[in-house]
Amino acid sequence: SQTIHQWPATLVQPVGSPLSLECTVEGTSNPNLYWYRQAAGRGLQLLFYSIGIGQISSEVPQNLSASRPQDRQFILSSKKLLLSDSGFYLCAWSGLSGSSRETQYFGPGTRLLVL
Amino acid sequence: GDSVTQMEGPVTLSEEAFLTINCTYTATGYPSLFWYVQYPGEGLQLLLKATKADDKGSNKGFEATYRKETTSFHLEKGSVQVSDSAVYFCALLGGGADGLTFGKGTHLIIQP
Repeated sequence: SQTIHQWPATLVQPVGSPLSLECTVEGTSNPNLYWYRQAAGRGLQLLFYSIGIGQISSEVPQNLSASRPQDRQFILSSKKLLLSDSGFYLCAWSGLSGSSRETQYFGPGTRLLVL
Repeated sequence: GDSVTQMEGPVTLSEEAFLTINCTYTATGYPSLFWYVQYPGEGLQLLLKATKADDKGSNKGFEATYRKETTSFHLEKGSVQVSDSAVYFCALLGGGADGLTFGKGTHLIIQP
């Protein structure tokens, strides 16, 4: 069966520090991968998605970037964190196309607090 | 663009009460519709889905029917339990979209 891992689970970082959040998927090949953010008082927002190694699309302009160095690894980064980057970051995967693409499966999330 | 509207709550019910959480959507074409549940401190879990009009998704006693005429996908359960306390998100995947469009979530509290 497929599983998705995220770490760390919780992170407290000072403003201006760098960030690296990691997501890995097991039990599937060539998944679509996604990063969402859940900010306090707001809904879930898609940040990035990837259909393959090195292929990243950004949904909103922001202080963050994403990379996919391996098929089942998706990394969210920032060079300098802002207070507004605080939130709950969720990684998700889906199949590549057709009906398997329709359903996204989420990881446990990383709670980030920027102080 | 696509959007999802749902009651935000909190919604507080007694155990064994009937539950309805309303969800309406705006989308072009024929989106797929989903309900996800988020238990405290955890990520999102897929609860149920429907991919075409009049489909009914069901799981763990929860049901939702894809109503194209009213652009709705209301979540229902006949008898809730304390363990159903969570945040419920309605979401859609549009035909040409890459990611899900979510509602803001409904916080459900079930009291014993």
